[in-house]
Amino acid sequence: AQTVTQSQPEMSVQEAETVTLSCTYDTSESNYYLFWYKQPPSRQMILVIRQEAYKQQNATENRFSVNFQKAAKSFSLKISDSQLGDTAMYFCAFSVNNAGNMLTFGGGTRLMVKP
Amino acid sequence: DAGVIQSPRHEVTEMGQEVTLRCKPISGHNSLFWYRQTMMRGLELLIYFNNNVPIDDSGMPEDRFSAKMPNASFSTLKIQPSEPRDSAVYFCASKFGHQNTEAFFGQGTRLTVV
Repeated sequence: AQTVTQSQPEMSVQEAETVTLSCTYDTSESNYYLFWYKQPPSRQMILVIRQEAYKQQNATENRFSVNFQKAAKSFSLKISDSQLGDTAMYFCAFSVNNAGNMLTFGGGTRLMVKP
Repeated sequence: DAGVIQSPRHEVTEMGQEVTLRCKPISGHNSLFWYRQTMMRGLELLIYFNNNVPIDDSGMPEDRFSAKMPNASFSTLKIQPSEPRDSAVYFCASKFGHQNTEAFFGQGTRLTVV
């Protein structure tokens, strides 16, 4: 079974600064995908960034980037130049490349961006 | 496309009543997922379908819960009888193909059982 752990229930950051959210996972699979989803107060789940396990290069999407350490089974999210609109719950998720590809989520980190 | 559409957005019901949550996935998507979100347990996968066929329902908490997908454009999650501990936000999500593509979520149904 796959598990995803987010050890930081809550974090805060000043606007324009950088923050890193942690995520670790456990699996015996070698081929899998990792995701970060954002859930703002509107409740909508929004994909922020994804990483294929077979790729060594860390994924980047504008102000969002990941630090993927496969051996350590770690997948952290870095948000640069934090904006007030980044205030949300952030969920790390894991998916194995099999039929169905279900997503297993971590417990989430609540991020507050302060003005 | 309007995205994944869930109805109702909010549901308040009395304990013991039957509750039916509905989901319309994005057209062309062939995988559909039902998740439950609570403060205590986070996001839990209840069941998922591939090409309208239930693949894994091991997350369904008890026999009071059932899910159907009669066709590619509609799915239901039913709770009968409902209990206060079923109060949660229920999400439906869909995606395309067997690849690890993005799952698109609906806006969820907030269920309150009193």
